[in-house]
Amino acid sequence: EAEVAQSPRYKITEKSQAVAFWCDPISGHATLYWYRQILGQGPELLVQFQDESVVDDSQLPKDRFSAERLKGVDSTLKIQPAELGDSAMYLCASSLTTGTPEAFFGQGTRLTVV
Amino acid sequence: GNSVTQMEGPVTLSEEAFLTINCTYTATGYPSLFWYVQYPGEGLQLLLKATKADDKGSNKGFEATYRKETTSFHLEKGSVQVSDSAVYFCALLHQGGSEKLVFGKGMKLTVNP
Repeated sequence: EAEVAQSPRYKITEKSQAVAFWCDPISGHATLYWYRQILGQGPELLVQFQDESVVDDSQLPKDRFSAERLKGVDSTLKIQPAELGDSAMYLCASSLTTGTPEAFFGQGTRLTVV
Repeated sequence: GNSVTQMEGPVTLSEEAFLTINCTYTATGYPSLFWYVQYPGEGLQLLLKATKADDKGSNKGFEATYRKETTSFHLEKGSVQVSDSAVYFCALLHQGGSEKLVFGKGMKLTVNP
């Protein structure tokens, strides 16, 4: 069964260091999402791609976060410098196209900033 | 803006008990509605969905009916099992505007044998 792949599963980093997460969506899925899930909260969208273009990054803290999907397939989310408040689960999801009423989620990357 | 409100947990039930998790939404137009489940240490999985008013989504013994008149999408299961222990998220997708999933805060369910 096709699934969204994310790595690493867990990451511990020191404050002010750089950290990067990788996501490979389901083959053929044009839309890719990055969500942040703080413990005890629901996921919140950070950035949404349609193919290689960003369609929504209104909630992305652009002073420290960046995301790219250069060839419209896999994607990288970077944080530099990391802050204590960035500790969270980072979830990647994909769907066939924007507005398709079903998104498939990866297992997530659990980030701990110390 | 679009938003989802879920009943707050955590909730602990005994096996075979009846489960209801309330979910109401605020949105313009006609969003699609979803329930996602997150088992310990895993990502979110779609549990069920409904894309128009009066639709009933069902899966694994869970059901939810899209009620436009009460803007609700309550999740129910007649007899829970220990394996249903997880966090449940209600979500909406408003197509035609900002087409992204908006999640509720989630409700943690623990089922004891």
